[in-house]
Amino acid sequence: ETGVTQTPRHLVMGMTNKKSLKCEQHLGHNAMYWYKQSAKKPLELMFVYSLEERVENNSVPSRFSPECPNSSHLFLHLHTLQPEDSALYLCASSQETGGSGANVLTFGAGSRLTVL
Amino acid sequence: GQNIDQPTEMTATEGAIVQINCTYQTSGFNGLFWYQQHAGEAPTFLSYNVLDGLEEKGRFSSFLSRSKGYSYLLLKELQMKDSASYLCAVMDSNYQLIWGAGTKLIIKP
Repeated sequence: ETGVTQTPRHLVMGMTNKKSLKCEQHLGHNAMYWYKQSAKKPLELMFVYSLEERVENNSVPSRFSPECPNSSHLFLHLHTLQPEDSALYLCASSQETGGSGANVLTFGAGSRLTVL
Repeated sequence: GQNIDQPTEMTATEGAIVQINCTYQTSGFNGLFWYQQHAGEAPTFLSYNVLDGLEEKGRFSSFLSRSKGYSYLLLKELQMKDSASYLCAVMDSNYQLIWGAGTKLIIKP
């Protein structure tokens, strides 16, 4: 497989459930990202990892917990979510973070999360 | 604060030309990106502008005016497959990406 792969593509969970989103990139990139995409709103950056170290956490509630075991894999662990957390969660990777203005993001197709 | 403005939705006819505008107010500037996102799919990179002027890539062109805080994406010879959302993003002085809410482009036969 090539590019950025996200699983599952769709997830429905109750507010008391615990679930995880998975992202895998096959591009040899050093940086990985989690974004939240809600209808008619700008992309919201949640977490950034560079070489498996978290470099940014944009004041995300603790009910979202990221994990980056290696430079190819990224997880988003979910627990005690709220209905307003329903959104499309996009994973992306890039060669590096910041630095070059030509640092293009490659996105996965996203995980559509519905919280009941 | 930092802000990116682009129209919410536009409609155009197959075979025609459409221009999608993006205006920005950011803390510094390190380039402007356009991404295309088909419904239910990943956003994909279209173009990057860091200097003023027009960059052409086949049917798609992107223009930048840094003094005006303005960019546009020009799509020529529109095809039905161009129906998608187009996302404008600016990289600020801290190399953080500031995103617009996207423009949904509807192509009619």
